[in-house]
Amino acid sequence: SQQGEEDPQALSIQEGENATMNCSYKTSINNLQWYRQNSGRGLVHLILIRSNEREKHSGRLRVTLDTSKKSSSLLITASRAADTASYFCATASRGTDKLIFGTGTRLQVFP
Amino acid sequence: DGGITQSPKYLFRKEGQNVTLSCEQNLNHDAMYWYRQDPGQGLRLIYYSQIVNDFQKGDIAEGYSVSREKKESFPLTVTSAQKNPTAFYLCASSIGLTGVRAGELFFGEGSRLTVL
Repeated sequence: SQQGEEDPQALSIQEGENATMNCSYKTSINNLQWYRQNSGRGLVHLILIRSNEREKHSGRLRVTLDTSKKSSSLLITASRAADTASYFCATASRGTDKLIFGTGTRLQVFP
Repeated sequence: DGGITQSPKYLFRKEGQNVTLSCEQNLNHDAMYWYRQDPGQGLRLIYYSQIVNDFQKGDIAEGYSVSREKKESFPLTVTSAQKNPTAFYLCASSIGLTGVRAGELFFGEGSRLTVL
């Protein structure tokens, strides 16, 4: 079962622009994580935000979490061509140790 | 270097054959996971193991089997009972029972299985 749903499914922007991806989920969570996947490769962890946090930053990444709306957003500022990848949100639901992934957003950054 | 190694990277199988995908980690993690990825469907959990000699079914376990005889190893067998096995398979590990609640998953580079 898919817990998270990312929006949009695909996003194309120019270098230097900001990219925003959204994730909605269904159940109460312990934390929400964002991962990146280059084509044909494994996933790489980007950032984790806990249920009692509202915003978190890591370099050019900014993640927000709204537990009342069961949603999160990932903002990549000043994007680069190397940011081209798929981005997935994943949620750790309360009472389980399973991490459930969304369907991902494909980001393409044009030079 | 510490990490997760999956092999083979590419595998072709004839219908009716069982195949085993290898996953080895040297991160000293207790928990290990297998996910399946199909185009446009994200990742789906097949099996996971929180400790040696113990494992639990995920959301799509039918047609798959696993073992966890050693902490470092969590092989996945795709059996002939799996109706549509062509997919990209990803192995991951985390610190332990509280790994998902406490932190991140570390992924291997994946194994792409094609059934001919």
